[in-house]
Formats: sequence, structure tokens, C-alpha cells
Amino acid sequence: AQSVTQPDIHITVSEGASLELRCNYSYGATPYLFWYVQSPGQGLQLLLKYFSGDTLVQGIKGFEAEFKRSQSSFNLRKPSVHWSDAAEYFCAVGLTGGGNKLTFGTGTQLKVEL
Amino acid sequence: ETGVTQTPRHLVMGMTNKKSLKCEQHLGHNAMYWYKQSAKKPLELMFVYNFKEQTENNSVPSRFSPECPNSSHLFLHLHTLQPEDSALYLCASSQEQGEQFFGPGTRLTVL
Repeated sequence: AQSVTQPDIHITVSEGASLELRCNYSYGATPYLFWYVQSPGQGLQLLLKYFSGDTLVQGIKGFEAEFKRSQSSFNLRKPSVHWSDAAEYFCAVGLTGGGNKLTFGTGTQLKVEL
Repeated sequence: ETGVTQTPRHLVMGMTNKKSLKCEQHLGHNAMYWYKQSAKKPLELMFVYNFKEQTENNSVPSRFSPECPNSSHLFLHLHTLQPEDSALYLCASSQEQGEQFFGPGTRLTVL
């Protein structure tokens, strides 16, 4: 069965610093990949997605992610973090041709220090 | 994201009560989902509906009963819940294999 690992439960960065959130997946087929963000008491908002093509994808709010098949990773990056980026971030994986079920990671809580 | 709405946003109920959660999507999608989000646990998929037909029941206890009358509406009927059922219940919708769009959730507390 597929699985998604987000090894960092909590991350703290200073405002203006760069950010990288890690995501690794275990999948036997070509995956499609997502990053979502959740603010307290809210639903999940899609930041970006990868289905095929260019392995570096751009998303909303200045985020980007790179799909590395050899490392089974889809890490999320932002060059300069803003205080409003403090939230919980979830990586999700789906199976191409495998229906519409997604598997989510356990999330990374991001704290931004001013 | 206003494409998926959920009501109520907050619900407190006793273990003997019967209540329903409602989800509506305005995106023209044909798949809808219920998820349970508990503290310190991964997001748990509960049910999936495709074109109004249930295609996934992830071993959910029978005290949770979903209903999908059409592709735009999804309900979760609750009865005789337990305190451990307290959680944020999220609804989502998608095309068959597209990204899922989430509602704001219903925060459920079972006393």
C-alpha cells in the first residue's frame, strides 16, 4: 500500500528565511502529488500539484515544489517566508489510473518567528 | 475557498443525539468525500462517492451514515456517537482524478 512520510512534525523559521518542507512517498506506480495548507480551524487549501511534465512546479503564495523520482520525494520550498505562512502543511499522493483516492502525510506544523 | 461549503461549522452533541452534517459543492465535480481529522493523527478518509454512488467505505462504524442525493450534496448522518468521535470532519470534492477541494469543516464535539 502507498504511504506518505513527512519527517518533520514541527519546523520554526524566522520571517524572511528560506523554507523547505520534506515529503517522501512509497508507491509502486507513477504518482500524482499535492501540497495543501491548513490554517487553524479551516479546511485544506491546495498550494500546488504535480501530474506530469516539468518536475519543478509553481504554486500559489510563492511556493514551489520539485518532484524527484529517484528519491521518491516532493519537497516544498519558499525562498522567503512571511509570518502569514504559519500553518500546517500536508503532502498528498494519488495513483495515476488508480481512482481518486489520496493518501495524506501526517503534516508539518510551521511556526514563523518575527 | 468558497466552492465547498459545510454546515454547521460547530456542533456539540450528546451520545444519544442524532444529527447530520451537510456539504455542498458548487464546482461541478462528480466525486465527493468525507474525511475525519483528529489531533495528532493523519487525515482519515471515511467515504467516497462517485456520480452519487458510494465507491469507498474505509471501515467506518455504522454510527456514521453517509448520504449523497446528487453530485452536489453530501450528508453525514450521526447517531449514538462516542466521545472519541470528536474531531474536525472535512468534506471535499473533485473530478475523477483531479485535485480535491476542501470545505472549512465541521468541528464536532461529543459529550
